[in-house]
Amino acid sequence: DSGVTQTPKHLITATGQRVTLRCSPRSGDLSVYWYQQSLDQGLQFLIQYYNGEERAKGNILERFSAQQFPDLHSELNLSSLELGDSALYFCASSVVDGINYEQYFGPGTRLTVT
Amino acid sequence: AQKITQTQPGMFVQEKEAVTLDCTYDTSDPSYGLFWYKQPSSGEMIFLIYQGSYDQQNATEGRYSLNFQKARKSANLVISASQLGDSAMYFCAMREGGQVTNAGKSTFGDGTTLTVKP
Repeated sequence: DSGVTQTPKHLITATGQRVTLRCSPRSGDLSVYWYQQSLDQGLQFLIQYYNGEERAKGNILERFSAQQFPDLHSELNLSSLELGDSALYFCASSVVDGINYEQYFGPGTRLTVT
Repeated sequence: AQKITQTQPGMFVQEKEAVTLDCTYDTSDPSYGLFWYKQPSSGEMIFLIYQGSYDQQNATEGRYSLNFQKARKSANLVISASQLGDSAMYFCAMREGGQVTNAGKSTFGDGTTLTVKP
């Protein structure tokens, strides 16, 4: 158990809908990262928050947004969902960011868009 | 250009033997970190080992070692004495440290599926 929690574990929704994925980082970790794993694109970095502020952005679509709250939990909002958004979404956390700090991954949320 | 290349989509190894999973990387940043993760069929991502670009010695963690050849830009994972529980997908990843705001951003390879045969 990495100490990172993600809810829900599974989500099935229809095209055009909007969903929110939730992540609670390990106690004391300030950085939260979101990754998407799909068959087409592999594992891709989406976005990072550090202590409530957006820190780095990757291949995140405009239909997707995220935020980190004062208690450090984070939410990833996906809107106008398309079939291609079906994927496993991981949240990870680390104490601070930096190339030598281990990122602890949550169990993931499996999103299926029908 | 692909920053992380894993050329072996699938590998087989006999139980108790050693296996090497290949990873090459591409960066012009002198400061970077290389990581290996294991993803079993259950889906979670498990950190295995880390190698920093300035580390003089190859990293080791139990049965895992990283064969780091900086000039060749390769960071191969060696698993010794394979066990049935090692059957999983393995990902190589890199983080570049040149811009501090991007230092947490991991780039992953496509992965190698390892099957350990009894």
